[in-house]
Amino acid sequence: LQLQESGPGLVKPSETLSLTCAVSGDSASRNTYRWAWIRQPPGKGLEWIGDISYSGSASYTPSLKSRLTISVDTSTDQFSLRLSSVTAADTAIYYCVRFYGSVFDFWGQGTMVTISS
Amino acid sequence: DILVTQSPSTLSASVGDRVTITCRTSQSVRSWLAWYQQKPGQAPKLLIYRASDLATGVPSRFSGRGSGTEFTLIISSLQPDDFATYYCQPFHGDSPTFGQGTRVEL
Repeated sequence: LQLQESGPGLVKPSETLSLTCAVSGDSASRNTYRWAWIRQPPGKGLEWIGDISYSGSASYTPSLKSRLTISVDTSTDQFSLRLSSVTAADTAIYYCVRFYGSVFDFWGQGTMVTISS
Repeated sequence: DILVTQSPSTLSASVGDRVTITCRTSQSVRSWLAWYQQKPGQAPKLLIYRASDLATGVPSRFSGRGSGTEFTLIISSLQPDDFATYYCQPFHGDSPTFGQGTRVEL
Protein backbone atom coordinates (compact mmCIF):
# COMPACT_ATOMS: atom_id res chain seq x y z
CA LEU A 1 0.00 0.00 0.00
CA GLN A 2 1.13 3.52 -0.79
CA LEU A 3 -0.48 6.79 0.17
CA GLN A 4 0.78 9.91 -1.59
CA GLU A 5 -0.41 13.39 -0.65
CA SER A 6 -0.26 16.20 -3.19
CA GLY A 7 -1.23 19.83 -3.29
CA PRO A 8 0.14 23.36 -3.00
CA GLY A 9 2.64 24.01 -0.26
CA LEU A 10 1.58 27.64 0.13
CA VAL A 11 -1.95 29.00 0.41
CA LYS A 12 -3.02 32.58 1.04
CA PRO A 13 -5.13 33.47 4.08
CA SER A 14 -8.90 33.34 3.45
CA GLU A 15 -8.43 31.04 0.45
CA THR A 16 -9.23 27.32 0.18
CA LEU A 17 -6.68 24.61 0.88
CA SER A 18 -7.06 21.60 -1.42
CA LEU A 19 -5.14 18.35 -1.03
CA THR A 20 -5.40 14.97 -2.70
CA CYS A 21 -4.28 11.55 -1.51
CA ALA A 22 -3.60 8.86 -4.09
CA VAL A 23 -4.11 5.30 -2.85
CA SER A 24 -2.16 2.58 -4.65
CA GLY A 25 -1.59 -1.09 -3.98
CA ASP A 26 -3.66 -3.41 -1.80
CA SER A 27 -6.79 -2.80 -3.89
CA ALA A 28 -8.76 -5.46 -2.07
CA SER A 29 -8.77 -3.40 1.12
CA ARG A 30 -10.22 -0.17 -0.23
CA ASN A 31 -13.80 -0.84 0.84
CA THR A 32 -12.75 -2.31 4.17
CA TYR A 33 -11.10 0.78 5.53
CA ARG A 34 -11.85 4.42 6.07
CA TRP A 35 -9.42 7.01 4.80
CA ALA A 36 -8.47 9.87 7.06
CA TRP A 37 -6.73 13.22 7.15
CA ILE A 38 -4.62 14.06 10.19
CA ARG A 39 -2.64 17.25 10.59
CA GLN A 40 0.27 18.36 12.74
CA PRO A 41 1.19 22.03 13.19
CA PRO A 42 4.95 22.64 13.33
CA GLY A 43 6.34 21.40 16.63
CA LYS A 44 2.93 20.35 17.92
CA GLY A 45 0.78 17.26 18.27
CA LEU A 46 -1.57 15.32 16.03
CA GLU A 47 -5.14 16.29 15.17
CA TRP A 48 -7.64 14.06 13.39
CA ILE A 49 -9.62 16.30 11.09
CA GLY A 50 -11.87 13.82 9.29
CA ASP A 51 -12.26 10.60 7.38
CA ILE A 52 -14.33 9.00 4.65
CA SER A 53 -15.36 5.57 3.44
CA TYR A 54 -15.17 4.45 -0.17
CA SER A 55 -18.95 4.75 -0.29
CA GLY A 56 -18.57 8.45 0.46
CA SER A 57 -19.73 8.60 4.07
CA ALA A 58 -17.63 11.31 5.76
CA SER A 59 -16.99 12.28 9.38
CA TYR A 60 -15.48 15.58 10.46
CA THR A 61 -13.98 17.02 13.59
CA PRO A 62 -16.55 19.45 15.02
CA SER A 63 -14.18 22.42 15.16
CA LEU A 64 -13.58 22.33 11.38
CA LYS A 65 -16.90 20.96 10.16
CA SER A 66 -18.16 24.27 8.78
CA ARG A 67 -15.05 24.75 6.62
CA LEU A 68 -14.16 21.20 5.68
CA THR A 69 -15.13 18.83 2.88
CA ILE A 70 -13.64 15.39 2.37
CA SER A 71 -14.53 13.50 -0.77
CA VAL A 72 -13.55 10.30 -2.55
CA ASP A 73 -13.15 9.44 -6.24
CA THR A 74 -13.28 5.67 -6.51
CA SER A 75 -12.55 5.73 -10.25
CA THR A 76 -9.10 7.16 -9.61
CA ASP A 77 -8.54 5.78 -6.08
CA GLN A 78 -8.06 9.23 -4.67
CA PHE A 79 -9.56 11.05 -1.72
CA SER A 80 -9.45 14.78 -1.22
CA LEU A 81 -9.63 17.48 1.39
CA ARG A 82 -10.90 21.03 0.96
CA LEU A 83 -10.58 23.48 3.84
CA SER A 84 -12.01 26.92 3.21
CA SER A 85 -11.23 30.31 4.73
CA VAL A 86 -7.84 29.24 5.97
CA THR A 87 -5.77 31.16 8.50
CA ALA A 88 -2.25 30.82 9.84
CA ALA A 89 -3.63 28.35 12.39
CA ASP A 90 -4.18 25.89 9.54
CA THR A 91 -0.44 25.76 8.80
CA ALA A 92 0.56 22.14 9.34
CA ILE A 93 1.83 18.90 7.90
CA TYR A 94 -1.22 17.11 6.49
CA TYR A 95 -1.13 13.32 6.48
CA CYS A 96 -3.44 10.95 4.65
CA VAL A 97 -3.90 7.81 6.68
CA ARG A 98 -5.66 4.46 6.50
CA PHE A 99 -8.15 4.08 9.35
CA TYR A 100 -9.21 0.61 10.38
CA GLY A 101 -11.67 0.13 13.20
CA SER A 102 -10.15 2.32 15.86
CA VAL A 103 -6.57 2.79 14.70
CA PHE A 104 -4.58 4.61 12.06
CA ASP A 105 -2.48 1.78 10.75
CA PHE A 106 -0.82 3.17 7.63
CA TRP A 107 0.37 6.74 7.05
CA GLY A 108 1.42 8.73 4.02
CA GLN A 109 4.64 10.71 4.27
CA GLY A 110 2.74 13.96 4.78
CA THR A 111 2.75 17.27 2.97
CA MET A 112 3.57 20.62 4.55
CA VAL A 113 1.09 23.41 3.92
CA THR A 114 1.89 26.97 4.92
CA ILE A 115 -0.78 29.64 5.12
CA SER A 116 0.80 32.99 4.33
CA SER A 117 0.35 35.95 2.06
CA ASP B 1 -15.67 15.19 24.12
CA ILE B 2 -13.19 12.84 25.68
CA LEU B 3 -10.15 14.45 27.33
CA VAL B 4 -6.75 12.80 27.08
CA THR B 5 -3.86 13.40 29.45
CA GLN B 6 -0.50 11.94 28.53
CA SER B 7 2.47 12.11 30.90
CA PRO B 8 5.21 13.00 31.14
CA SER B 9 5.54 15.48 28.28
CA THR B 10 9.29 14.91 28.19
CA LEU B 11 11.27 12.00 29.55
CA SER B 12 15.05 11.86 29.82
CA ALA B 13 16.46 8.35 29.72
CA SER B 14 19.50 6.31 28.84
CA VAL B 15 20.01 3.27 26.66
CA GLY B 16 18.94 0.19 28.61
CA ASP B 17 16.46 2.04 30.83
CA ARG B 18 12.92 0.84 31.41
CA VAL B 19 10.57 3.58 30.26
CA THR B 20 6.92 4.03 31.17
CA ILE B 21 4.51 6.51 29.57
CA THR B 22 0.99 7.02 30.90
CA CYS B 23 -2.20 7.99 29.12
CA ARG B 24 -5.41 8.80 30.98
CA THR B 25 -8.83 9.44 29.49
CA SER B 26 -11.78 11.30 30.97
CA GLN B 27 -14.17 8.51 30.06
CA SER B 28 -13.75 4.78 29.72
CA VAL B 29 -12.58 3.67 26.29
CA ARG B 30 -12.47 0.00 27.37
CA SER B 31 -9.42 -1.31 25.45
CA TRP B 32 -9.77 1.01 22.46
CA LEU B 33 -6.42 2.72 22.73
CA ALA B 34 -3.42 2.79 20.42
CA TRP B 35 0.14 4.02 20.73
CA TYR B 36 2.25 5.60 17.97
CA GLN B 37 5.92 6.45 17.62
CA GLN B 38 7.07 9.46 15.64
CA LYS B 39 10.66 10.25 14.77
CA PRO B 40 11.71 13.72 13.58
CA GLY B 41 10.78 14.34 9.95
CA GLN B 42 8.76 11.13 9.70
CA ALA B 43 5.11 10.18 9.85
CA PRO B 44 3.87 8.45 12.99
CA LYS B 45 4.00 4.68 13.09
CA LEU B 46 1.50 2.40 14.81
CA LEU B 47 3.11 0.51 17.71
CA ILE B 48 0.26 -0.94 19.75
CA TYR B 49 -3.48 -1.29 19.22
CA ARG B 50 -6.32 -2.42 21.45
CA ALA B 51 -4.22 -1.34 24.44
CA SER B 52 -1.82 -4.28 24.37
CA ASP B 53 -1.57 -5.84 20.88
CA LEU B 54 1.74 -5.25 19.13
CA ALA B 55 1.53 -4.04 15.53
CA THR B 56 3.33 -6.05 12.88
CA GLY B 57 7.10 -5.75 13.06
CA VAL B 58 7.20 -3.91 16.40
CA PRO B 59 9.95 -5.22 18.71
CA SER B 60 8.86 -7.14 21.79
CA ARG B 61 10.54 -4.63 24.11
CA PHE B 62 7.43 -2.50 23.56
CA SER B 63 4.33 -3.42 25.52
CA GLY B 64 1.03 -1.82 26.43
CA ARG B 65 -1.19 -2.26 29.44
CA GLY B 66 -4.43 -0.91 30.81
CA SER B 67 -8.12 -0.60 30.18
CA GLY B 68 -10.90 1.80 30.99
CA THR B 69 -9.29 5.18 31.65
CA GLU B 70 -5.63 4.45 32.42
CA PHE B 71 -3.06 3.02 30.05
CA THR B 72 0.71 2.62 29.93
CA LEU B 73 3.28 2.15 27.22
CA ILE B 74 6.39 0.36 28.45
CA ILE B 75 9.73 0.07 26.73
CA SER B 76 11.53 -2.63 28.67
CA SER B 77 15.07 -1.71 27.60
CA LEU B 78 15.44 1.54 25.70
CA GLN B 79 17.42 1.28 22.48
CA PRO B 80 19.06 4.10 20.46
CA ASP B 81 16.34 3.77 17.82
CA ASP B 82 13.63 4.43 20.43
CA PHE B 83 14.42 8.09 21.06
CA ALA B 84 11.28 9.63 19.57
CA THR B 85 7.92 11.12 20.47
CA TYR B 86 5.11 8.80 21.50
CA TYR B 87 1.39 9.50 21.24
CA CYS B 88 -1.58 7.67 22.67
CA GLN B 89 -4.86 7.64 20.76
CA PRO B 90 -8.05 6.59 22.47
CA PHE B 91 -11.11 5.79 20.42
CA HIS B 92 -14.51 6.73 21.79
CA GLY B 93 -17.49 7.49 19.61
CA ASP B 94 -16.92 9.14 16.28
CA SER B 95 -14.08 11.55 16.95
CA PRO B 96 -10.61 10.05 17.35
CA THR B 97 -8.23 12.12 19.43
CA PHE B 98 -4.58 12.03 20.43
CA GLY B 99 -2.62 12.62 23.58
CA GLN B 100 -0.25 15.56 23.70
CA GLY B 101 2.80 13.39 23.14
CA THR B 102 5.78 12.27 25.19
CA ARG B 103 9.23 13.08 23.90
CA VAL B 104 11.82 10.50 24.96
CA GLU B 105 15.25 12.08 24.88
CA LEU B 106 18.76 11.17 25.90
